[in-house]
Amino acid sequence: DGGITQSPKYLFRKEGQNVTLSCEQNLNHDAMYWYRQDPGQGLRLIYYSQIVNDFQKGDIAEGYSVSREKKESFPLTVTSAQKNPTAFYLCASSNFYRDISYEQYFGPGTRLTVT
Amino acid sequence: AQTVTQSQPEMSVQEAETVTLSCTYDTSESDYYLFWYKQPPSRQMILVIRQEAYKQQNATENRFSVNFQKAAKSFSLKISDSQLGDAAMYFCAYRSAGDKIIFGKGTRLHILP
Repeated sequence: DGGITQSPKYLFRKEGQNVTLSCEQNLNHDAMYWYRQDPGQGLRLIYYSQIVNDFQKGDIAEGYSVSREKKESFPLTVTSAQKNPTAFYLCASSNFYRDISYEQYFGPGTRLTVT
Repeated sequence: AQTVTQSQPEMSVQEAETVTLSCTYDTSESDYYLFWYKQPPSRQMILVIRQEAYKQQNATENRFSVNFQKAAKSFSLKISDSQLGDAAMYFCAYRSAGDKIIFGKGTRLHILP
């Protein structure tokens, strides 16, 4: 079955540590996205990638970094510079970034807790 | 800047009844798409329905339909014959050419048995 996998489902880290969230898709989609979801805030875009080896900052990129070395993979690193990293993180992909009709397919999410 | 507003943080509906979730948006674009996404307790986001701005006919997917009022910049979602499985967070979203998708803050829908 095609889809998006995010691992792990729950992640716990100590303050000051970097942590990398995994996102893999087998939908052959060009574009991939990372969102942060906080209660009452909806989804906020962290980074997106239209194609391999290319990515752009979203609305809340500070304290995060990404890479896109393979079409299938778009890992997100939450660095120690992110002031409030505890949140639910969603990865998504879509077939072609510039076609606005395409829906985004979402992974199951990772709940990150930093103490 | 484009914005998406969902004015109802929470709503409840009796099972088998009909409920309408509101969404308004602000844009100066003429070509865009609107979406409703559902996020059940599992937190897996799925697309419910989409509407192209150029199409006057309201989109329908089984029990889900929209009331798209382009001049009023309104895009409400109607769920008919509500079922327990419809309980979820619903997000309205907007996308125009050359721009990222913008989500509203969501409406949590409770289904009362």
